[in-house]
Amino acid sequence: AQSVTQLDSQVPVFEEAPVELRCNYSSSVSVYLFWYVQYPNQGLQLLLKYLSGSTLVKGINGFEAEFNKSQTSFHLRKPSVHISDTAEYFCAVSEKGNNNDMRFGAGTRLTVKP
Amino acid sequence: DADVTQTPRNRITKTGKRIMLECSQTKGHDRMYWYRQDPGLGLRLIYYSFDVKDINKGEISDGYSVSRQAQAKFSLSLESAIPNQTALYFCATSPRENNEQFFGPGTRLTVL
Repeated sequence: AQSVTQLDSQVPVFEEAPVELRCNYSSSVSVYLFWYVQYPNQGLQLLLKYLSGSTLVKGINGFEAEFNKSQTSFHLRKPSVHISDTAEYFCAVSEKGNNNDMRFGAGTRLTVKP
Repeated sequence: DADVTQTPRNRITKTGKRIMLECSQTKGHDRMYWYRQDPGLGLRLIYYSFDVKDINKGEISDGYSVSRQAQAKFSLSLESAIPNQTALYFCATSPRENNEQFFGPGTRLTVL
């Protein structure tokens, strides 16, 4: 079965600085990849997804991620963060042709400081 | 209106009690899921259903049961709640094509 590792549990960063949240996955087949964001006391909402095609995926709120098949990674980036980006971010993987479930990483808490 | 709703939003119960968490959706998706979220563990799948007659166990189904009453409704039951079931529970739906999940707002359950 597929698995996901988010390499950083917490990432503190100053406002307007760039940020990268790292995600690696393991799977024996092709995958779909997702990043979700969870603001305090809320559910998860989709930031972006990779299904096929271009490996650079753009999402909401200025985030983007790049699918790297050789390194089995799907890192999330933003060139300039805002205070409002403070949240928990989850990477998730689902195997193509095996749509029984989605596996989530443990999450990365991004804290943006003024 | 929200596409995926969960009731109750918060619940405090005692060890040994039976409780039910409910989920409804208006997205028209066939697939529905129940997850629990614990700090540092991300989301773990409890049960999933691909249609009304298709229900499957997920990663951590022990101590839980589910019922798919209709395409739009999927309930999670704890037959005899225990303290380590204290967690945040999420319902989600997805289309058949790619498993993208759409989440409800969550239910915070505390078992004393």
